[in-house]
Amino acid sequence: DADVTQTPRNRITKTGKRIMLECSQTKGHDRMYWYRQDPGLGLRLIYYSFDVKDINKGEISDGYSVSRQAQAKFSLSLESAIPNQTALYFCATSDLPSPHEQYFGPGTRLTVT
Amino acid sequence: GQQLNQSPQSMFIQEGEDVSMNCTSSSIFNTWLWYKQDPGEGPVLLIALYKAGELTSNGRLTAQFGITRKDSFLNISASIPSDVGIYFCAGQLNYQLIWGAGTKLIIKP
Repeated sequence: DADVTQTPRNRITKTGKRIMLECSQTKGHDRMYWYRQDPGLGLRLIYYSFDVKDINKGEISDGYSVSRQAQAKFSLSLESAIPNQTALYFCATSDLPSPHEQYFGPGTRLTVT
Repeated sequence: GQQLNQSPQSMFIQEGEDVSMNCTSSSIFNTWLWYKQDPGEGPVLLIALYKAGELTSNGRLTAQFGITRKDSFLNISASIPSDVGIYFCAGQLNYQLIWGAGTKLIIKP
């Protein structure tokens, strides 16, 4: 079984809808991250969390919110989806003593029409 | 925001050839990492570098942390078909990773 799982893997939604992307991990890591990937732009950090009581904004947090329900679960919400949020979304985890070595889920492809 | 310049953007190579790609930044990084992404999957860590000047290998892959701490390169020797994919560099700045835009490796048939 995969260490980092994401659901759903693919989602098509309409403008204005609320949508939640979920991430679960069995690696026992404290740190979790949400990224979006757009062609030609690499990965950009949306939010990150160093433990269940810690949530931090990343480079592009506007239009997104997150919830860290447990050490193993970190969900990303789009309160009112817009077409330019169409992208590939990745969850990642890391932990001490190598906090910058991040392990990624398989991604969620989100299309907003 | 912070940016990494990764080049080349894409490469067409013959099987068996050596490959070289690099990343440069205007900022100093404390850690450089190289990842590979296969289609339909998330990035997978290949090599992590923690000291300026460090040279690290992982099989046919070799990466170096530049002396100025503003650059890094990745070499792949004797490329094989399964090397195709997108390679990303990432540099650590404070608590975050800053990512390059990726180098897409394509094997000529």
